[in-house]
Amino acid sequence: KAGVTQTPRYLIKTRGQQVTLSCSPISGHRSVSWYQQTPGQGLQFLFEYFSETQRNKGNFPGRFSGRQFSNSRSEMNVSTLELGDSALYLCASRPDSTDTQYFGPGTRLTVL
Amino acid sequence: GEDVEQSLFLSVREGDSSVINCTYTDSSSTYLYWYKQEPGAGLQLLTYIFSNMDMKQDQRLTVLLNKKDKHLSLRIADTQTGDSAIYFCAETRNTGGFKTIFGAGTRLFVKA
Repeated sequence: KAGVTQTPRYLIKTRGQQVTLSCSPISGHRSVSWYQQTPGQGLQFLFEYFSETQRNKGNFPGRFSGRQFSNSRSEMNVSTLELGDSALYLCASRPDSTDTQYFGPGTRLTVL
Repeated sequence: GEDVEQSLFLSVREGDSSVINCTYTDSSSTYLYWYKQEPGAGLQLLTYIFSNMDMKQDQRLTVLLNKKDKHLSLRIADTQTGDSAIYFCAETRNTGGFKTIFGAGTRLFVKA
């Protein structure tokens, strides 16, 4: 099976812009989670989607949002970008039967 | 609190064993994980242990779990330069929504 894929891999934006990141889970996985990784804060949970519904959300401002489509692909959107949003954004999927998550390579976002 | 704690750095000589330690907080966690991250890459699932186990061995990797002390360790036998990476300990929580809590990561340096 193909692994979790994320596009784009790298992105450069300026403050105030908005960005959309995409994640395709492993085939058959309905749960998709997003994480932000920064040197200062480490890996932090953003949200989890399952069958097009957001089931859990981390402690991030409303500028961070997401959605999931009927084919389980997920997108994450960040509006009004700030310098502090520069990070590696990781997506993970898992099968229904376990808690084990499989991560994609990430999208590295740089905000100038 | 929510913290998963681990030491930040470990340096070993090639061929020696490496032991990375972690403490977690949620005694209801069903699974505990070790992930590996190489520079510029996403998270690679190394191994995991079910909470009713004390030990799990997988080739050069040995995971020990002390549930009473909420202590998890990862031993890498015959450490190689290719093992140089950041190792993350993680626990999953599935109450009120699924998420994974990560430690800050232990950077392993392997000296030739």
